[in-house]
Amino acid sequence: DAGVTQSPTHLIKTRGQQVTLRCSPKSGHDTVSWYQQALGQGPQFIFQYYEEEERQRGNFPDRFSGHQFPNYSSELNVNALLLGDSALYLCASSRSNTEAFFGQGTRLTVV
Amino acid sequence: GIQVEQSPPDLILQEGANSTLRCNFSDSVNNLQWFHQNPWGQLINLFYIPSGTKQNGRLSATTVTTERYSLLYISSSQTTDSGVYFCAVWYSSASKIIFGSGTRLSIRP
Repeated sequence: DAGVTQSPTHLIKTRGQQVTLRCSPKSGHDTVSWYQQALGQGPQFIFQYYEEEERQRGNFPDRFSGHQFPNYSSELNVNALLLGDSALYLCASSRSNTEAFFGQGTRLTVV
Repeated sequence: GIQVEQSPPDLILQEGANSTLRCNFSDSVNNLQWFHQNPWGQLINLFYIPSGTKQNGRLSATTVTTERYSLLYISSSQTTDSGVYFCAVWYSSASKIIFGSGTRLSIRP
């Protein structure tokens, strides 16, 4: 079992650009959630996808959008990047709302 | 919204010591998990413990839902236990996990 995998592991982007992060859930999981973790803080919920629909959204602007594919994998897109978007982005998968497992994260740096 | 508070924020111990980390939450929750975040950012699952007590080796956890808290016990600490420990909760009216701010544990050899 490969667990939750995220790509890329590191990314450097310029302010104003757009970025796409990818997540493959753990085998048997149908729900994917995305989190942003700033340095020294706990992860903050961005949104959750289930059955290819956004089920719940945290307090993030519309620049943050996502998608879930029929194979349950997911993408997180961020448009018009700001310096403040620099963070560790974590993907979690679960079978409905049971125990969640996290990927290793994508560290995004906006310069 | 639901609040999750962890204490202490920082803890420095000698190898071999025992520790207790606390997580308080402000509302009834459906599920609760404890994670250990390693220096590379990976969140490692420690316990999935909506209620009751579980043990795994040197670690154990207890969640008391009626009093809205959970405790993580680490016995005979090792340097590899160092890192940040997070409590995370979610409840039926929201499909999201809310994290506490974490406890940073440093184990000195």
